[in-house]
Amino acid sequence: EAGVAQSPRYKIIEKRQSVAFWCNPISGHATLYWYQQILGQGPKLLIQFQNNGVVDDSQLPKDRFSAERLKGVDSTLKIQPAKLEDSAVYLCASSAGRVGYGYTFGSGTRLTVV
Amino acid sequence: QKEVEQNSGPLSVPEGAIASLNCTYSDRVSQSFFWYRQYSGKSPELIMSIYSNGDKEDGRFTAQLNKASQYVSLLIRDSQPSDSATYLCAVPNTNAGKSTFGDGTTLTVKP
Repeated sequence: EAGVAQSPRYKIIEKRQSVAFWCNPISGHATLYWYQQILGQGPKLLIQFQNNGVVDDSQLPKDRFSAERLKGVDSTLKIQPAKLEDSAVYLCASSAGRVGYGYTFGSGTRLTVV
Repeated sequence: QKEVEQNSGPLSVPEGAIASLNCTYSDRVSQSFFWYRQYSGKSPELIMSIYSNGDKEDGRFTAQLNKASQYVSLLIRDSQPSDSATYLCAVPNTNAGKSTFGDGTTLTVKP
């Protein structure tokens, strides 16, 4: 079974620039999550999708962050404009179900905003 | 109070010892609990899940759950240097399924 694919692995941008991250979940996993992990902290949820619908985006800074999951498969997370405090690892995870299922994480994208 | 709390550590144990990692949670209705292992520079990997009060064993790993005390722990027996990592406790929301993670406990196993 192929894992969760993410790209790019690393990205360095200047503040106020824009950046996009891509995720392809495990085939058949209906639930997809984007988490932000700042160094020394646990992952913090940004957005949860069920198929191509948003279940929870209450922690997504919507003035600068946006996400979509077209056709219920691939997902893209965008930041525009980036701030220094956005420097973090952005993790995509998928799960087989909505409740009671553990996650499979992708390798993550390490973003550095300078 | 944080929703999921873990001792930040670092926790250091000698090779062959038992490592004990603890986690408390605030949502009394939580039904499932997960432990993830995260090596430095890598993404988290699911290693244990537990749903019922008591113990669940998987090889050298034992998860313990006490819902009355809102406490879940992970024991690693015969610790190996390869167990050196950060261990994250995760508690899914009962309705939405999204997991809230603790900030992790960093374990170092010394040869």
